[in-house]
Amino acid sequence: SQTIHQWPATLVQPVGSPLSLECTVEGTSNPNLYWYRQAAGRGLQLLFYSVGIGQISSEVPQNLSASRPQDRQFILSSKKLLLSDSGFYLCALESETMKETQYFGPGTRLLVL
Amino acid sequence: GQNIDQPTEMTATEGAIVQINCTYQTSGFNGLFWYQQHAGEAPTFLSYNVLDGLEEKGRFSSFLSRSKGYSYLLLKELQMKDSASYLCAVGRGSYIPTFGRGTSLIVHP
Repeated sequence: SQTIHQWPATLVQPVGSPLSLECTVEGTSNPNLYWYRQAAGRGLQLLFYSVGIGQISSEVPQNLSASRPQDRQFILSSKKLLLSDSGFYLCALESETMKETQYFGPGTRLLVL
Repeated sequence: GQNIDQPTEMTATEGAIVQINCTYQTSGFNGLFWYQQHAGEAPTFLSYNVLDGLEEKGRFSSFLSRSKGYSYLLLKELQMKDSASYLCAVGRGSYIPTFGRGTSLIVHP
């Protein structure tokens, strides 16, 4: 079965510091992968998605970037965090059998101070 | 643009039935999804409708009317653990479903 790992689970970072969040998946190959952000009391915002190694599409212009160095690894980064980057970051993959069905990882809760 | 509407919050009593509505206007339609998200946790997939009608899965059922751009999630025999946010999402035939903002359901004794 497909499994999604994210770390760290929680993170407190000062404004202006860099960020690296990692997502790895197991039990599947060549998955479509996604990064979402959920701010407190708000809906899911799609940040990036990837259909393969080195292929990244950005949905929202911002100071975040994503990379996919390996088939089952998806990384979200920032060079300088803003207060508005606080939120719940979720990595997801698309089901192989039911297109557009999303399976989410456990998430990383980021607080920028 | 893409627009999905669902109520922000609902309350219900343990043991009762609750219906959470979702209306959508999207460019392209390839199915409607419902997800459950408990506080502090990630969303989990509940149901998928691509054809009109009712899909039943235990205590949960989901209905779709494509002509009306309307869906609902029906929860029967409510339990306290059903207190969560319920997200409606529309697949548009691309890689990217569109999510609603979610309905926070509070179940009280």
